[in-house]
Amino acid sequence: KNEVEQSPQNLTAQEGEFITINCSYSVGISALHWLQQHPGGGIVSLFMLSSGKKKHGRLIATINIQEKHSSLHITASHPRDSAVYICAVLQTSGSRLTFGEGTQLTVNP
Amino acid sequence: DAGITQSPRHKVTETGTPVTLRCHQTENHRYMYWYRQDPGHGLRLIHYSYGVKDTDKGEVSDGYSVSRSKTEDFLLTLESATSSQTSVYFCAISERLAGYNEQFFGPGTRLTVL
Repeated sequence: KNEVEQSPQNLTAQEGEFITINCSYSVGISALHWLQQHPGGGIVSLFMLSSGKKKHGRLIATINIQEKHSSLHITASHPRDSAVYICAVLQTSGSRLTFGEGTQLTVNP
Repeated sequence: DAGITQSPRHKVTETGTPVTLRCHQTENHRYMYWYRQDPGHGLRLIHYSYGVKDTDKGEVSDGYSVSRSKTEDFLLTLESATSSQTSVYFCAISERLAGYNEQFFGPGTRLTVL
């Protein structure tokens, strides 16, 4: 079993829909990251969380440390949000990030 | 955008040949990383560097070596490429150790080993 599990693996939505992508992890962590990988392959960091909630534009990331779970929400989704969204955790016992396999999001007009 | 470039961006090579990938940064960040990305796997760390001439292994380091002779350059070498090393390789940089702050990624290098 992977230490970082994302769900769903694939998600198709209509423009304007509210989207949720989930990340569960099985280890103790110091921080959790959400990243976005564009269709062209480029990877950008969206959020780094260690507790609570962060918001940037239409993106909201939450984390529940006790339940070992994080969610990435996209409000009023748009076709330009189509990308792979990747969750990564920094384990308390480690010095590197452990990545999930990613969630492929497609938003249709 | 963070100033990170990778070269080459695409390479096709034959089994048994040596290959060197270059990562160059203009941000003067202390930490540099090499990852590989394969279907069915998340990004996996190959090697990382925490300063000039200071490097350490990641989770998939077998068959790879690295060097960092200048702050701005981090080289990944496949001494004798194998088909299992066909992958997309990403370089990343950060000011602090990975996970404690944002990582900035390069555009990736697609390597095919025939």
